[in-house]
Amino acid sequence: DGGITQSPKYLFRKEGQNVTLSCEQNLNHDAMYWYRQDPGQGLRLIYYSQIVNDFQKGDIAEGYSVSREKKESFPLTVTSAQKNPTAFYLCASSDSPLPPHNEQFFGPGTRLTVL
Amino acid sequence: GEDVEQSLFLSVREGDSSVINCTYTDSSSTYLYWYKQEPGAGLQLLTYIFSNMDMKQDQRLTVLLNKKDKHLSLRIADTQTGDSAIYFCAESLWHTGGFKTIFGAGTRLFVKA
Repeated sequence: DGGITQSPKYLFRKEGQNVTLSCEQNLNHDAMYWYRQDPGQGLRLIYYSQIVNDFQKGDIAEGYSVSREKKESFPLTVTSAQKNPTAFYLCASSDSPLPPHNEQFFGPGTRLTVL
Repeated sequence: GEDVEQSLFLSVREGDSSVINCTYTDSSSTYLYWYKQEPGAGLQLLTYIFSNMDMKQDQRLTVLLNKKDKHLSLRIADTQTGDSAIYFCAESLWHTGGFKTIFGAGTRLFVKA
């Protein structure tokens, strides 16, 4: 059963702590993405990776870091430098970063709350 | 500039048609997408249309594209309570370093029984 999984579904963190969100896909997709969703707003791109061992900053990369050591995994670390980290985080993947195969498939999301 | 705009709310009665509208600003869009998000879940790709097409139909869903006005719409026929969700319009366009997908803020569809 192919798909994208994110864990955990809910995550609580104290201020000043780093936390890592997991994203795994078994779709054999080359490209992976991290988005942040805030209430009443669209998705904002944090980081993306077009191929393993490569990644680029999106529109709101400050305070976040990623790695892409394996094709199927794209973990996101929310660092203490991120000023307002409470949000819903969505991971996505696409077969290719280029059309016509760059339609994105999403995981179920992780809701991060900073206490 | 890159921007995708949608109205925030739409309310319809069960059995009626829903029409969700979207405008985009970049004429170099290649593909345009509609996604559905149910509460607490990720986005589910519903359908997409290539920028040189005017219309695409897929069961209860009809996508209309007016490239001159940069207007995209999603029509849901015979709307059901299970269609209640947030619907996102998105465009894929060339950006420095590769293609980028820009999402609208989403339209929340309420279906009244």
